[in-house]
Formats: sequence, C-alpha cells, structure tokens
Amino acid sequence: AQSVSQHNHHVILSEAASLELGCNYSYGGTVNLFWYVQYPGQHLQLLLKYFSGDPLVKGIKGFEAEFIKSKFSFNLRKPSVQWSDTAEYFCAVNPYTGTASKLTFGTGTRLQVTL
Amino acid sequence: GAVVSQHPSWVICKSGTSVKIECRSLDFQATTMFWYRQFPKQSLMLMATSNEGSKATYEQGVEKDKFLINHASLTLSTLTVTSAHPEDSSFYICSASEQGLSETQYFGPGTRLLVL
Repeated sequence: AQSVSQHNHHVILSEAASLELGCNYSYGGTVNLFWYVQYPGQHLQLLLKYFSGDPLVKGIKGFEAEFIKSKFSFNLRKPSVQWSDTAEYFCAVNPYTGTASKLTFGTGTRLQVTL
Repeated sequence: GAVVSQHPSWVICKSGTSVKIECRSLDFQATTMFWYRQFPKQSLMLMATSNEGSKATYEQGVEKDKFLINHASLTLSTLTVTSAHPEDSSFYICSASEQGLSETQYFGPGTRLLVL
C-alpha cells in the first residue's frame, strides 16, 4: 500500500516569501502525483498533477512541483506567496493503473501568509 | 468544467436515524466516485470506491452495512449513513473521476454531518 508524508504541518510566511512544501511517498510501482489546495471554508481544488513526462509541472496560481523519482518526492513550490495563498495543502498519490484508482493523501500542510 | 456537487451541505440528525448524502457530477460522466471522511484538522480518509452499476468497494475498517453506497447512474452516487450515532459526525466528501479521463479526481464541497 502506498503512503504519503508531508513533513511541514504548519508554515507561516510573509507575503512575497518563497514557498516550498515537502511531500514524500512510498510505493513500489509507478504513481500519479497530485497537489490539492483547500481554502478556508471551501472544497478541495486541484493545483497540479504529474502523470508522466517532464518532472517539473506547472499548475494554477503560479505553483509548480518537481517529481524526483530517486527521492520519491514531489515538492510544491511558489517563488512569491500572496496572502490569498493561505490555505491547507494536500499532497496525494495513486498507483498508475490507467483507470480511476484510490488516492492516498498526506496529512496536509497549513500555510499561513501574513501581510 | 469538472464540477462536483454534494447535497446537503450540512445536516443535523438525531441518533438512530439514517441520512442520505448525494454526490453529483454536473458537467461530466463519472464512471467512478469515491467517498472520503475528513476529521477536524486531519487529512481525508478514503471510505469506499463506487463504480457505476456495481457494488462499492469498501476500505478496511469501514462497515458496508452502516455506510450504504449506491451509484445508480454516471452522474450520481449516494452515501447513506444508517442508524447514525454521534461518532459518525464528520465531514463527508465525495470525488469523481471523469469517464475516459479517469486519473484525476474532482472533489465536491463536502457535507457536514452532526448527529445529536
């Protein structure tokens, strides 16, 4: 079974600071990788995803993530955060099967951006 | 596109009653839907996988007779919490995978259940 670790539980940054949230997974086969964001009072939204190809993927709102296969990592980055990025961020993984398969989520990282 | 809705958004019920939660894919057909549970300040835990026209697959530790799932059409799955108890109070979230583009899941807004 796969597992996902997010090491940063709560991150506080000032506006314009750079962001990197760690995500490591454990699984013996090929995986799909996702980052979801949950703004306060809202539902989960897909930020970006990696299935194959270029390991550096760009998502919405200026976010990007890099898949490093040798490190089993898929860290999320943003060069300059905004107050509106305050939210909970979840890394998730599912086995590559070509069809819908269950997602395993990390515990989430709460990002707080201060003005 | 890829919008998933849930109804109701919140519900309060008495202990012992049953509650039905609907999950709909509004602008796409979903071969597979998933039901998650999220406790306060915690991550999502998968409860079951719902495939259109077949029985749901439940995760270990999830009582299938308590959490009844029906996926009668390509746009609707329902979760019924039977004989609800206070410990069933939680945030229930569904997701749907689009037929033919099935690797990405789109999430509904969730249903908050409070059992008194």
